[in-house]
Amino acid sequence: KNEVEQSPQNLTAQEGEFITINCSYSVGISALHWLQQHPGGGIVSLFMLSSGKKKHGRLIATINIQEKHSSLHITASHPRDSAVYICAGPFKSGGGADGLTFGKGTHLIIQP
Amino acid sequence: ETGVTQTPRHLVMGMTNKKSLKCEQHLGHNAMYWYKQSAKKPLELMFVYSLEERVENNSVPSRFSPECPNSSHLFLHLHTLQPEDSALYLCASSQYYSSYNEQFFGPGTRLTVL
Repeated sequence: KNEVEQSPQNLTAQEGEFITINCSYSVGISALHWLQQHPGGGIVSLFMLSSGKKKHGRLIATINIQEKHSSLHITASHPRDSAVYICAGPFKSGGGADGLTFGKGTHLIIQP
Repeated sequence: ETGVTQTPRHLVMGMTNKKSLKCEQHLGHNAMYWYKQSAKKPLELMFVYSLEERVENNSVPSRFSPECPNSSHLFLHLHTLQPEDSALYLCASSQYYSSYNEQFFGPGTRLTVL
């Protein structure tokens, strides 16, 4: 059983396109994280959100707690946005633990 | 610069070797984490330390032994590893051990076990 599912797994788009990456999960959670991992392996936290919507530059993250779904949007995409985008949250059933469980990631390539 | 450093960045070791990975955070955080990322697999939480006490151990084999001597330093001692332990090992820290807290990641140690 997968607590978290991301889609698509792979996405190739042209520079300038609007990008949407989805994250669906099966257990109620208090907060969800979006992370970015570049080819070298380094991981950067993009957002932590528990409700509604957050925006940072060209990145927008939304979450619907009732529907157990979150999306990450990139506007005016650029080749430097090419990375793996990962959603994470305390998805483990059984409660208590605040450790994060990570999705498999969406591998995004933006072509010039 | 994330404020979390890891050494070494790359490590090749034989199955009979003993080595240690080091993580240091300069952010004044109280929680530190070890994660494993194998090829084609999601990040897996291995250990969590909060205020220098281990609070989570996700059924990690005993050939991995963590140590947190103070709130700024975290080690992962490795001994008699297997080839399937080859992976990227990432350290992270957060202000507190809470899913509400943003985690800051180090650059990782790429480990190859021969």
